[in-house]
Amino acid sequence: SQKIEQNSEALNIQEGKTATLTCNYTNYSPAYLQWYRQDPGRGPVFLLLIRENEKEKRKERLKVTFDTTLKQSLFHITASQPADSATYLCALRYNTDKLIFGTGTRLQVFP
Amino acid sequence: NAGVTQTPKFRVLKTGQSMTLLCAQDMNHEYMYWYRQDPGMGLRLIHYSVGEGTTAKGEVPDGYNVSRLKKQNFLLGLESAAPSQTSVYFCASSHNRGHLLYEQYFGPGTRLTVT
Repeated sequence: SQKIEQNSEALNIQEGKTATLTCNYTNYSPAYLQWYRQDPGRGPVFLLLIRENEKEKRKERLKVTFDTTLKQSLFHITASQPADSATYLCALRYNTDKLIFGTGTRLQVFP
Repeated sequence: NAGVTQTPKFRVLKTGQSMTLLCAQDMNHEYMYWYRQDPGMGLRLIHYSVGEGTTAKGEVPDGYNVSRLKKQNFLLGLESAAPSQTSVYFCASSHNRGHLLYEQYFGPGTRLTVT
């Protein structure tokens, strides 16, 4: 079965630096990949979507890359701020009606 | 627009009791989903629906039933609650046009404890 791996250890970075989170998957590549943000006690919120034929997508301070050779997506937050502290989930969609979510990586940005 | 709403927000059940979680969306989305989220396990799909009157099993369907009688509502039922069903439950909805599945919109969650 398909597996998604996100670093379970929290990522701690200083304000102003670039945060980079990793999402690795096994087996075949998904049709597309999504990234979500989840704050404590709340539901996930959609951030970005990248398709298998796209290498990079940007939205304001966010950037997502998709490398089907490495079977990996990287999620970057540039000029990070304490307000960016949250758990970030990646989700993969194959040729089905469902998404498969990773367990998420907690990001902590300290002043 | 309220987006996706869930009721109740919190609930404590005794083993063997039953309950229904209600999810409602006002975005006219075709697809709706029920997930559970447990520490270290991520979001796991319980059941989903691709349209009014249809339901399908997800990754962890045992012990749960669902119904989608109206497009805007998706109900999750626990017939006989077990402590293993203690979790946070999230409902989500999305558009789907052709083979494109759009982003999912999540509700605020229901925290269920079974003692």
